[in-house]
Amino acid sequence: DVKVTQSSRYLVKRTGEKVFLECVQDMDHENMFWYRQDPGLGLRLIYFSYDVKMKEKGDIPEGYSVSREKKERFSLILESASTNQTSMYLCASTLRTTTGELFFGEGSRLTVL
Amino acid sequence: GDSVTQMEGPVTLSEEAFLTINCTYTATGYPSLFWYVQYPGEGLQLLLKATKADDKGSNKGFEATYRKETTSFHLEKGSVQVSDSAVYFCALASGGSYIPTFGRGTSLIVHP
Repeated sequence: DVKVTQSSRYLVKRTGEKVFLECVQDMDHENMFWYRQDPGLGLRLIYFSYDVKMKEKGDIPEGYSVSREKKERFSLILESASTNQTSMYLCASTLRTTTGELFFGEGSRLTVL
Repeated sequence: GDSVTQMEGPVTLSEEAFLTINCTYTATGYPSLFWYVQYPGEGLQLLLKATKADDKGSNKGFEATYRKETTSFHLEKGSVQVSDSAVYFCALASGGSYIPTFGRGTSLIVHP
């Protein structure tokens, strides 16, 4: 089975801190994604990557950046965390040839105080 | 652009009741359609899918039929269990895109 692992299930950070969320997948998927999930708003795409060192903005990239130095790893970076970034963050991956079928990690719940 | 509309929740049912969660979509061309499920404290996982009109996806007792004429993909289950309590997301992917468009999710609560 495909496994997508997010490094931290729960984080608490202070306003202005730099935050790293790590995601690793073990099935050689080309595409990786970061979403945030908020009540009433569903899933919103932050960034995605279709290859090493490649990245594309999603619907809400402001305040975030990403890094993909290795195929299996996709990191989400909050350069200066703010309280409105308190949310659940979900990483996902898929094969380039697979339409719409994403494999998700268990999520990282971030609280910014 | 593409969009997915789901019924708002929460949907609250007693065990063994019949479940329908409505989903309609707007898309160009002929999208693939999906239902994902998110159990408490977990990420999403694919529940079922359909790739062309009149296809029926099924898994774990859940079914959904791709209705092109009504642009719908309603999720149904004949007899729900407490363990089905979760959030259900309808999604589509069109134009060969690997990036799905998600609905906002519908919470299902099943009481014993």
